Amino acid sequence: GQNIDQPTEMTATEGAIVQINCTYQTSGFNGLFWYQQHAGEAPTFLSYNVLDGLEEKGRFSSFLSRSKGYSYLLLKELQMKDSASYLCAVIIRQAGTALIFGKGTTLSVSS
Amino acid sequence: EADIYQTPRYLVIGTGKKITLECSQTMGHDKMYWYQQDPGMELHLIHYSYGVNSTEKGDLSSESTVSRIRTEHFPLTLESARPSHTSQYLCASSATENTEAFFGQGTRLTVV
Repeated sequence: GQNIDQPTEMTATEGAIVQINCTYQTSGFNGLFWYQQHAGEAPTFLSYNVLDGLEEKGRFSSFLSRSKGYSYLLLKELQMKDSASYLCAVIIRQAGTALIFGKGTTLSVSS
Repeated sequence: EADIYQTPRYLVIGTGKKITLECSQTMGHDKMYWYQQDPGMELHLIHYSYGVNSTEKGDLSSESTVSRIRTEHFPLTLESARPSHTSQYLCASSATENTEAFFGQGTRLTVV
């Protein structure tokens, strides 16, 4: 079966840096996405990793280690609007390819 | 802004009724997905398609069915709605497996 693990909740303060970890055990790994989802809204794309290493996009960075089945999302200079759920999603090969999501990490940013 | 649309946004329906949730995208994407998400919970993949006339079941056992007769259209049908089907249903599409998926705004279904 497929297994994607993330911490359930995290808290941080404005201006801080937070790292959200994701570990996965899946068949036929084909890449990993991070999405942001505000309460009551649809998920929106943050980053994509398929090769080992760090991808940086403004305040957000994402890292992947395929050999360890591990990724993290790094958020810098936190703002109140960053309070949301952060979803780790893996592309797997099963009868074509499917995008499978972890349970998500709810981040609360306080002033 | 993503060009993927779901209708209806909200639906309250009686037990035993047949319903179809609509999902359309105008981006020409081959890959489309249906997810089920309860409030504050994870997205469960229930169906996906990688092109016209191809559909597969996801990880979550579902009593729904889907069809993909046209690239832009991926409707989901419940033949007989039950209270256990009460949830939010999210449709998504992507150009390829390695590109971002765009999500519709979802259909919030309540079966009474």
